[in-house]
Amino acid sequence: DSGVTQTPKHLITATGQRVTLRCSPRSGDLSVYWYQQSLDQGLQFLIQYYNGEERAKGNILERFSAQQFPDLHSELNLSSLELGDSALYFCASSVARQGANSPLHFGNGTRLTVT
Amino acid sequence: AQTVTQSQPEMSVQEAETVTLSCTYDTSESDYYLFWYKQPPSRQMILVIRQEAYKQQNATENRFSVNFQKAAKSFSLKISDSQLGDAAMYFCAYRSGAAGNKLTFGGGTRVLVKP
Repeated sequence: DSGVTQTPKHLITATGQRVTLRCSPRSGDLSVYWYQQSLDQGLQFLIQYYNGEERAKGNILERFSAQQFPDLHSELNLSSLELGDSALYFCASSVARQGANSPLHFGNGTRLTVT
Repeated sequence: AQTVTQSQPEMSVQEAETVTLSCTYDTSESDYYLFWYKQPPSRQMILVIRQEAYKQQNATENRFSVNFQKAAKSFSLKISDSQLGDAAMYFCAYRSGAAGNKLTFGGGTRVLVKP
């Protein structure tokens, strides 16, 4: 158990809809990262938050947004969903802001299926 | 931007034998960290091993070891005495030591273990 909790585990929704994925980081971790993994692909970095502030942005679509709350949990909002958004979405957390080899600890992911 | 390349989509190994997975990366930085993550069929992301670029000594974790060639920008993973539980996708990942600590992943290598 990595200590990172993601909910829900599975989500099935229709095109055009909006969903929210939730992540609770490991106790003491200040950084939260979101990744997208499409079928049999590598993980694509979406966005990073550190202690409530956005720190890095990757290939995140404008239809997607995220935030980190004062209690350090994070939410990833996906709107105007398309079939191509179907993927496994991972949240990861780590202690450090930058410049450290503290590893990322991953949650079990949320499997999103858009029909 | 840093890129990570895993040139072997799939590798097969006999149980108890050794398999080596290749990874190359492209960077102009001198301070960085390298990781190997395992993703079994459960889809969890499990940290296998990590290497600091400033360390010349290759990291080892039980049956897992790396061959880190900094000049060649190569970071291969050796799995010794392969076990059925080693069957998984393996991802090589890069983290900058200076520009935030998101991970950049390679496309992955699927390892099949034959009994």
